[in-house]
Amino acid sequence: DTGVSQNPRHKITKRGQNVTFRCDPISEHNRLYWYRQTLGQGPEFLTYFQNEAQLEKSRLLSDRFSAERPKGSFSTLEIQRTEQGDSAMYLCASSLGFDPDTQYFGPGTRLTVL
Amino acid sequence: AQTVTQSQPEMSVQEAETVTLSCTYDTSESNYYLFWYKQPPSRQMILVIRQEAYKQQNATENRFSVNFQKAAKSFSLKISDSQLGDTAMYFCAFHFNFGNEKLTFGTGTRLTIIP
Repeated sequence: DTGVSQNPRHKITKRGQNVTFRCDPISEHNRLYWYRQTLGQGPEFLTYFQNEAQLEKSRLLSDRFSAERPKGSFSTLEIQRTEQGDSAMYLCASSLGFDPDTQYFGPGTRLTVL
Repeated sequence: AQTVTQSQPEMSVQEAETVTLSCTYDTSESNYYLFWYKQPPSRQMILVIRQEAYKQQNATENRFSVNFQKAAKSFSLKISDSQLGDTAMYFCAFHFNFGNEKLTFGTGTRLTIIP
């Protein structure tokens, strides 16, 4: 068990560029979650997957954001036409998908939009 | 909409002392789960303790225990014999009953253990 991994750990981009983050969950975890954490705040839910199916999306997830989990394993989160307000830590978590359903978090990807 | 409130942005305590972090929440649901997560500086978030709302007995994990008051919608975390490694941001969070596990977090309490 190597834990949840996220790449890259840091990303600096210019406004208007597209960025993609990757999350590799703990193997055999069926559920995968994306959260966004801004400075001084707790994480906020963005979206989650049960295997390859995206079951829920937050209103925070504008049409510039898209997430996929094509084979029910790793997931990608893409942000198109980045804005300075997108600067945040993007956290991924995974869980087995049955009770008790503890979420295990990755180290996050810190995005800075200049 | 459900909310989680942590009214103590920062706390500090001497090593080996006991400290209590406060959390209140608001929900109209009766079945839910409550959590305390720890986020050390530049490290990933880890689960400290969880509490099922249907259980009256307070959860305990080694030096960590909770005081769960369902009627008051209060869920405080007590850390006994605090250690330097307890220095971290602590987040209170909850989710509804099984089948809707997206976590709602508070804004966190920054805890510093002083040697």
